[in-house]
Amino acid sequence: DTGVSQDPRHKITKRGQNVTFRCDPISEHNRLYWYRQTLGQGPEFLTYFQNEAQLEKSRLLSDRFSAERPKGSFSTLEIQRTEQGDSAMYLCASRGGRGQGANEQFFGPGTRLTVL
Amino acid sequence: AQSVSQHNHHVILSEAASLELGCNYSYGGTVNLFWYVQYPGQHLQLLLKYFSGDPLVKGIKGFEAEFIKSKFSFNLRKPSVQWSDTAEYFCAVTAYSSASKIIFGSGTRLSIRP
Repeated sequence: DTGVSQDPRHKITKRGQNVTFRCDPISEHNRLYWYRQTLGQGPEFLTYFQNEAQLEKSRLLSDRFSAERPKGSFSTLEIQRTEQGDSAMYLCASRGGRGQGANEQFFGPGTRLTVL
Repeated sequence: AQSVSQHNHHVILSEAASLELGCNYSYGGTVNLFWYVQYPGQHLQLLLKYFSGDPLVKGIKGFEAEFIKSKFSFNLRKPSVQWSDTAEYFCAVTAYSSASKIIFGSGTRLSIRP
């Protein structure tokens, strides 16, 4: 499968714990995005990378959230001191820089986080 | 700021009925427009997109959408729905030629009665 992959698919944690999610984009896609989707809502933008540079962050991304893309390939999203309000589906998407499909974001299956 | 409104939260239709899902966006500049679909248990997939040119866009599975600039609308249509079209449908917008974020609507849940 050459699509966007995310790991884990499901994560249950207790309030106050730290969690980390991983996203592997489509090979050679230089742009990577993180979104959050809660029940009954559309995805909301969190942050965006071009190669290893984090170019935009949403106000939704509090200080407890941090994202990295150290080598411009896979990315991690860490949530520290999780709260029940962090429970959501976390989606990753990638996009190429040129050619057909350059303006399209391809989404992964998401990581569903449940904070107890 | 960009925003997307989907006025139908839940639509229930019988098989073979015609479908139209409304979408209005708010943005002052030129936009790219999308419809994404999320089938039960599956990830978001692109149904169709509009970047420029013919405002009537055809997508996969018999869906089409019409961009009406004067109305800031991008409604999704299908002449005859099937049970397999049961899914959540999201309208989305991004600034033209922008590498940045997609703004999604809140989604419309479509239920098809067999």
